[in-house]
Amino acid sequence: GAVVSQHPSRVICKSGTSVKIECRSLDFQATTMFWYRQFPKKSLMLMATSNEGSKATYEQGVEKDKFLINHASLTLSTLTVTSAHPEDSSFYICSARDWTSDITGELFFGEGSRLTVL
Amino acid sequence: AQSVSQHNHHVILSEAASLELGCNYSYGGTVNLFWYVQYPGQHLQLLLKYFSGDPLVKGIKGFEAEFIKSKFSFNLRKPSVQWSDTAEYFCAVNARYGGATNKLIFGTGTLLAVQP
Repeated sequence: GAVVSQHPSRVICKSGTSVKIECRSLDFQATTMFWYRQFPKKSLMLMATSNEGSKATYEQGVEKDKFLINHASLTLSTLTVTSAHPEDSSFYICSARDWTSDITGELFFGEGSRLTVL
Repeated sequence: AQSVSQHNHHVILSEAASLELGCNYSYGGTVNLFWYVQYPGQHLQLLLKYFSGDPLVKGIKGFEAEFIKSKFSFNLRKPSVQWSDTAEYFCAVNARYGGATNKLIFGTGTLLAVQP
């Protein structure tokens, strides 16, 4: 099956710093990538949708200046948490779909990145 | 707007017991339906999906789900669970508009603990 890889899997940073998380599709071209945030004991909340070469579409309530998303190529999307604060600590998951799943809607998920802001 | 609800937040079963996890969605149009599983310490994996055709779909590891359109439901079932089925299970739905698909919306998840 299609493989999506995230890096880093865990990151600890100081409050006020910025953190970048990478999401790569390893064996397919991802026409669309999605970034989710998973809170403890809660569901996955969609943060934004990004298409290669265009600006990301953010969900209501998600600050685009706080969570910068770049989808520079068909195999790479990055999420940068700017000026991170403890409340940004969470598990961030990226997912991707290729042209076939543009019809089926199936997503392929990365391993997730646990961010801890001190 | 689409929404997905999973009725059971936490389920505890003994090995060999039967499992049924409820999932209901709200959207009147054509949908794709999914069940994903997240084993402890691992990433989300697809268990099964419904796109079209037979409403009873079979997935990996003996899981199956039935799409009942009139009830807006897509319940997950397994006749006999194993300890290794301990995981969190997420139902997900996306709507299809004119052939293309929209974003995937997840339910709140059900944490299944199987006792040996």
